[in-house]
Amino acid sequence: AQKITQTQPGMFVQEKEAVTLDCTYDTSDPSYGLFWYKQPSSGEMIFLIYQGSYDQQNATEGRYSLNFQKARKSANLVISASQLGDSAMYFCAMREAYSGAGSYQLTFGKGTKLSVIP
Amino acid sequence: NAGVTQTPKFQVLKTGQSMTLQCAQDMNHEYMSWYRQDPGMGLRLIHYSVGAGITDQGEVPNGYNVSRSTTEDFPLRLLSAAPSQTSVYFCASSYVANTEAFFGQGTRLTVV
Repeated sequence: AQKITQTQPGMFVQEKEAVTLDCTYDTSDPSYGLFWYKQPSSGEMIFLIYQGSYDQQNATEGRYSLNFQKARKSANLVISASQLGDSAMYFCAMREAYSGAGSYQLTFGKGTKLSVIP
Repeated sequence: NAGVTQTPKFQVLKTGQSMTLQCAQDMNHEYMSWYRQDPGMGLRLIHYSVGAGITDQGEVPNGYNVSRSTTEDFPLRLLSAAPSQTSVYFCASSYVANTEAFFGQGTRLTVV
């Protein structure tokens, strides 16, 4: 079973509109962290936002917010007021104590390609 | 502020050749990792280290070796390159377990 599932291979959004990128996860560890990264066409991985499993409030960082629904095991990224520079691949990732792939290492979803239309 | 530095940025190898991808970080991070990124696959963990002298295998370790003699450096060695190792390789580091990982710029490797 996939640890991180991103069901939207590609999405389009109009400039200045908000967009939600979906992420669901699978873990039995009570302590875990959820991350979103942005990968523009230039290739670098840029950290956007983090949510800890014990955090009571949804994380926010500027135009980015994380809609954390623990019971549903979802951690959707919301980008408000989309800009042309938001066009990129977006990856959801999780750290848990032991993922099978490595202790406290990041497990990534397959990504969502976001295209912002002028 | 250099962060995580990977070299080289691009490399072409012939099947059977060996090489080392270099990774260095100047943030005194204990955790370092190597990932490979293939189209439609996201990033997959190759090897990781939780401190100098300590390494372990990730999801896709076959064909790769690592060592961690210092906190700063975490080289990835391809023992005998195969076309299946054509990929983009990322090195990452983080301070402790549940903090964000900082990534290098990536190395695009082609094995012919």
